[in-house]
Amino acid sequence: EVQLVESGGGLVQPGGSLRLSCAASGFTFSSYWMHWVRQVPGKGLVWVARINSDGTTTDYADFAKGRFTISRDNADNTLYLQINTLRAEDRAVYYCARFRAKSGHYAPAWGQGTLVTVSS
Amino acid sequence: DIVMTQSPLSLHVTPGEPASISCRSSQSLLHANGHNYLDWYVQKPGQSPQLLIFLNSNRASGVPDRFSGSGSGTDFTLKISRVEAEDVGVYYCMQGLRVPFTFGPGTNVDI
Repeated sequence: EVQLVESGGGLVQPGGSLRLSCAASGFTFSSYWMHWVRQVPGKGLVWVARINSDGTTTDYADFAKGRFTISRDNADNTLYLQINTLRAEDRAVYYCARFRAKSGHYAPAWGQGTLVTVSS
Repeated sequence: DIVMTQSPLSLHVTPGEPASISCRSSQSLLHANGHNYLDWYVQKPGQSPQLLIFLNSNRASGVPDRFSGSGSGTDFTLKISRVEAEDVGVYYCMQGLRVPFTFGPGTNVDI
C-alpha cells in the first residue's frame, strides 16, 4: 500500500524556520517526482514545489521562491520542505504528493498533511 | 500558469439523483501521449484530498463506479450517476500537465 506520512508541522514564531518531512513507503520512492501542496484552512489547494526523482531538479511556485527549499533522501525514502523566515500567511496544512514517475507513469497519491501555524 | 475554473461553486444534491461538475482549463491539458492530465479530488471535512479520477477518466482504486470523468482539451466533467449521502464534500479539479500544477476553486456539494 502506498503511504505518504508528513511530519514536522507545529507552532512557529514569525521569522522562524521549519523543516517538514514526508516518509514514503509502499512504492519505489526514487522513481517518482515528488511535490508539496498546501492549503490554508478553509481555502483551496495550492501547489508549492516539486523535485525530480534523483533530486537534481526543483521547481517552485512564485511565492515559494527564495524561502522554501524542497529536497529528498532516496536512501531514506523521505521528502523534505524547508521553510525559512515564516510569515503568518504560511499558516496552512502542507501535503506531500506524488504524481508522475520518471518513466512517465502517472499515479497520484497524497499524504494526510501536517499543519503549520505561524504566530507569536 | 494554467488557470482552472469550476462550475457550479456550490451544488445542492438529492440522494439518488445525478450530479455533475464542470471544470475548464485556460490551456489544453492534452499531452502528446494522448492523455489529458486532469484529476478530480474530493475533500471531506477534516480530511486530506482523496483522489477520485486521474488522467481525465480513470477511477482511482476503491472509487465507486457511480463516479465518472470525461472531456478533453480544456473542458471536463465529473459525473455522479446517483448521489449518496457520503458524497458530500468539496470537489476539486487539478491539472497535472505543467508546473505550477493548478487547482480549480472547488465545488461544495451538499445534500
